[in-house]
Amino acid sequence: ETGVTQSPTHLIKTRGQQVTLRCSSQSGHNTVSWYQQALGQGPQFIFQYYREEENGRGNFPPRFSGLQFPNYSSELNVNALELDDSALYLCASSAKTGNGYTFGSGTRLTVV
Amino acid sequence: QQQVKQSPQSLIVQKGGISIINCAYENTAFDYFPWYQQFPGKGPALLIAIRPDVSEKKEGRFTISFNKSAKQFSLHIMDSQPGDSATYFCAANSGGSNYKLTFGKGTLLTVNP
Repeated sequence: ETGVTQSPTHLIKTRGQQVTLRCSSQSGHNTVSWYQQALGQGPQFIFQYYREEENGRGNFPPRFSGLQFPNYSSELNVNALELDDSALYLCASSAKTGNGYTFGSGTRLTVV
Repeated sequence: QQQVKQSPQSLIVQKGGISIINCAYENTAFDYFPWYQQFPGKGPALLIAIRPDVSEKKEGRFTISFNKSAKQFSLHIMDSQPGDSATYFCAANSGGSNYKLTFGKGTLLTVNP
């Protein structure tokens, strides 16, 4: 059974650029959620996807957007990057029933 | 508005001791309370979770105590080991199709040998 895999592991971008982060969900999981974890903080919910539709969103601006594909993998897109977007971005997958999340190891994004 | 408050921010325990981390929540709709363990460079990993219909849940050296009336829950790590040194997060959510987890700010646990 494979876990949640994220790519890339590290990324450096310039302010104003756009970035796409990718996530492959754990086998058997059909729901994907994205979290932002700033240094020294707990993860903050960005949004969740189920059946390729956004199914819940946290307090993040519209320049944070996502996609879920038929194989349940997902992308997080961030436009017009700001310095404060520097963080660890975590993808988590879960099954429709139950509340068990499996997190990936994250993508460390640095905006300079 | 911080809906889950976690304390202490950091904790140092001797090997074999008991580590206790506390969390308090505000949203009475929360009905699932997990604890996550995170090592540097890794994502959080589910450690143990509880629902409000029980007051305590034990898995090995890890125990969650839950006080619904006080809206508080805590993690106890018995016989703490150096390998337990990590950051621990409490979290909460309400059930249904939205799995949004609200996390505490984390506790950095150091277990000295």
